[in-house]
Amino acid sequence: AQSVAQPEDQVNVAEGNPLTVKCTYSVSGNPYLFWYVQYPNRGLQFLLKYITGDNLVKGSYGFEAEFNKSQTSFHLKKPSALVSDSALYFCAVRDISGRYGGSQGNLIFGKGTKLSVKP
Amino acid sequence: EAQVTQNPRYLITVTGKKLTVTCSQNMNHEYMSWYRQDPGLGLRQIYYSMNVEVTDKGDVPEGYKVSRKEKRNFPLILESPSPNQTSLYFCASRADRVYNEQFFGPGTRLTVL
Repeated sequence: AQSVAQPEDQVNVAEGNPLTVKCTYSVSGNPYLFWYVQYPNRGLQFLLKYITGDNLVKGSYGFEAEFNKSQTSFHLKKPSALVSDSALYFCAVRDISGRYGGSQGNLIFGKGTKLSVKP
Repeated sequence: EAQVTQNPRYLITVTGKKLTVTCSQNMNHEYMSWYRQDPGLGLRQIYYSMNVEVTDKGDVPEGYKVSRKEKRNFPLILESPSPNQTSLYFCASRADRVYNEQFFGPGTRLTVL
């Protein structure tokens, strides 16, 4: 079964420091990986995705993620954190094993990591 | 503006009183889905729809119904709500390619007393 894990419930970072939010996955076949962010009282917003190609994926708001096949990880990173980056971050993997075949593509989400950036 | 809309945004109701949460998207997306978000549990899928008249259960479908009579709409129906359905609900849609990202609605916070 395909799954995704976010090992940290919360990450605390000082403004201006680099940040990393961790994500590991388990899939059969090629992974389709996504990061979403949820600001307070808002819906989820897409940040970036890995489908194929370069292991370093760049996304919105200066975020990037590094795909590591050998470690089955897809960690979210940002070189310099902002207070406004404080939010809940979700990693997700596309489930391509469903009854409708590869096009089903339900997202399986991690439990989320709360990022807190202090001034 | 491309968006997914949900109504109502907030709802307080009582046990057993049927309710419907509407979801509509203006992007002509084939795929739509409902999730509930609970503290410590992340997002769990309730139901999804691959296209008009094609729906299927997600991970936590008990107590919920859906319909997909039109491509743009995907209402979530609670026939007899119970307190354990108090949660934050999100609707989402995407175009029918496995690598496309999903677009989420703003959420509906439901409280069942």
